[in-house]
Amino acid sequence: SQQGEEDPQALSIQEGENATMNCSYKTSINNLQWYRQNSGRGLVHLILIRSNEREKHSGRLRVTLDTSKKSSSLLITASRAADTASYFCATVTDKLIFGTGTRLQVFP
Amino acid sequence: DGGITQSPKYLFRKEGQNVTLSCEQNLNHDAMYWYRQDPGQGLRLIYYSQIVNDFQKGDIAEGYSVSREKKESFPLTVTSAQKNPTAFYLCASSIGSGTGMYNEQFFGPGTRLTVL
Repeated sequence: SQQGEEDPQALSIQEGENATMNCSYKTSINNLQWYRQNSGRGLVHLILIRSNEREKHSGRLRVTLDTSKKSSSLLITASRAADTASYFCATVTDKLIFGTGTRLQVFP
Repeated sequence: DGGITQSPKYLFRKEGQNVTLSCEQNLNHDAMYWYRQDPGQGLRLIYYSQIVNDFQKGDIAEGYSVSREKKESFPLTVTSAQKNPTAFYLCASSIGSGTGMYNEQFFGPGTRLTVL
């Protein structure tokens, strides 16, 4: 069963623009994680935000969590062509469940 | 170099054959996982193991089997009972067991299985 759903499914932007991806989920969580996957490769962990946190930063990444709305967002600032990938949120309750992902294309 | 390796990268199988996918980690992680990824469906958990000689079924275990004889290794066998085995298979590990399983997971590069 799918817990997290990302929005949009696909996003195309120019280099230098910001990219925002959203994740909505259905039940209370312990933490929420964002992962990145380049085409045909394994996933790479980007950031983990716990249920008692509201915002975290890592380099050009900013993640917010709104537990009242059961949603999270991932912001990539000043995007680069190398950011082209699929981005997944994963919610943790008694298990870790991945969403279906947002495919980000950054054009040079 | 620490990390997770999966082999082979590409695998072709005839219908009715069993096939085993390899996953090895040298991160000294307790927990290991197998996921299946189909286009547009994200990752689904097949099996996981928190400790040597113990493993649990995930959401889609039917048609698959695993073993965990060594901490470093968690091979997955796709049996002929799996109705639609063509997919991208990802192995992962995490440092802790119990609630520590649900912190950061480290992924291998994946094996793409095609049934001919």
